[in-house]
Amino acid sequence: GDSVTQMEGPVTLSEEAFLTINCTYTATGYPSLFWYVQYPGEGLQLLLKATKADDKGSNKGFEATYRKETTSFHLEKGSVQVSDSAVYFCALSEGGNDMRFGAGTRLTVKP
Amino acid sequence: SQTIHQWPATLVQPVGSPLSLECTVEGTSNPNLYWYRQAAGRGLQLLFYSVGIGQISSEVPQNLSASRPQDRQFILSSKKLLLSDSGFYLCAWKGLAGRYNEQFFGPGTRLTVL
Repeated sequence: GDSVTQMEGPVTLSEEAFLTINCTYTATGYPSLFWYVQYPGEGLQLLLKATKADDKGSNKGFEATYRKETTSFHLEKGSVQVSDSAVYFCALSEGGNDMRFGAGTRLTVKP
Repeated sequence: SQTIHQWPATLVQPVGSPLSLECTVEGTSNPNLYWYRQAAGRGLQLLFYSVGIGQISSEVPQNLSASRPQDRQFILSSKKLLLSDSGFYLCAWKGLAGRYNEQFFGPGTRLTVL
C-alpha cells in the first residue's frame, strides 16, 4: 500500500540556518504530495502541495519539488526563523478517501 | 470560506466515563469527514472517515465509535474510556471538487483520561 517515510527528528537549528526535511513515498499510481505544519497545541495546516511530477510547491519561504524518479518530496527553507518551530508532516493522496501521513518531524529553531 | 470547528478544546475524563467529541464544518456541502488521533509525540492515526450522512468507515478496531447525523457534523464517541484513549483528536474535511484535494484540519481536542 501507499506509504510515506520522513526523516526522524527532532531537528534543532540556529536561526537563519538552512533546513531540509527528507520525505520519500511509495505509491501505486500518481499521488499528490503535501507538507503540513503543526504548531504547538494546534491542528495541522497545509503548508504546500504538488500534484504532478516536477511541480514545485512553495509557501512562506518553504519549497518542495515532486521528484518522481527518486519518489521524494523534500522540504527546504533557506533561512529558518524561531517562528518556524513546529512539527512538519509529509503526506500523499491518490484521490481516494484517505491520505497517508509520515510520522512527523519536530523542528526547533534557536535564536 | 470554509471553516471547521471542534469542541471541546480540552477535556479531562476519568477511566470508564463516556465521551462525545463534536466536529462541524461550515461553507461546504457533502464533504468527506475524518477523525484522527495523535498520541503524544506520535504521528496521525486515522480512526474513522465518512463520505456521507450515516456512512462510517472504521480504520482500527477499538472502543470508539463515530456518527454523522447531519451532512456537516461528525461525532466521536465512547461508552467507556480507557487510559490509552488519551491523545489529541483531530477532525478534518475534504471537498469533492477535484480529485486530489487536500484535507483541512480543525483545531483539535486534547483528551486526558485519568
